[in-house]
Amino acid sequence: RKEVEQDPGPFNVPEGATVAFNCTYSNSASQSFFWYRQDCRKEPKLLMSVYSSGNEDGRFTAQLNRASQYISLLIRDSKLSDSATYLCVVNMKSSASKIIFGSGTRLSIRP
Amino acid sequence: DGGITQSPKYLFRKEGQNVTLSCEQNLNHDAMYWYRQDPGQGLRLIYYSQIVNDFQKGDIAEGYSVSREKKESFPLTVTSAQKNPTAFYLCASSLSGHPREGYGYTFGSGTRLTVV
Repeated sequence: RKEVEQDPGPFNVPEGATVAFNCTYSNSASQSFFWYRQDCRKEPKLLMSVYSSGNEDGRFTAQLNRASQYISLLIRDSKLSDSATYLCVVNMKSSASKIIFGSGTRLSIRP
Repeated sequence: DGGITQSPKYLFRKEGQNVTLSCEQNLNHDAMYWYRQDPGQGLRLIYYSQIVNDFQKGDIAEGYSVSREKKESFPLTVTSAQKNPTAFYLCASSLSGHPREGYGYTFGSGTRLTVV
């Protein structure tokens, strides 16, 4: 089992729709969680950290479920510009080598 | 503006040749990292450094070498021992060696290395 797993997609949704995807992690000692966005052939960019109580940034909501060991990202009122690959990042905090990137979920927003 | 600069953007290497990828940051970050990304896969850690003159191997260090003589610079050498070097290489930095809530990585724009 991979340490961090994401559905590769692609998720293909119409503009204005709400879309959500999850990321599961295998190690219960994981302590920090992030969502990154990566456009085609570009570097990943931090979208948002995932706080224990859940957090919202505009149209984006991130949540953490420690009991079931997953994090989620919800995008409301999706825009064409939201089309990208979303990477889940999990940090065990015990050492830098235990920061694991998921392989990403591709999202495509259609007009 | 602060950021991380990687160069070159594209690099072509012949079989048996060593090449060095540059990574410079002016964010005053302590920790720097090198990742490799292959199509359809997540980022894999090659080397990381939490302080000047010190660095540790990541998950796939074989065939690579690094140095950290200055806080701002963390060059990566891809040696001829790396059998499958064609990939997208990303350099990153963070405030400390343990990215925590609110403080993630900042990435450079990457170098695409191709073996010809």
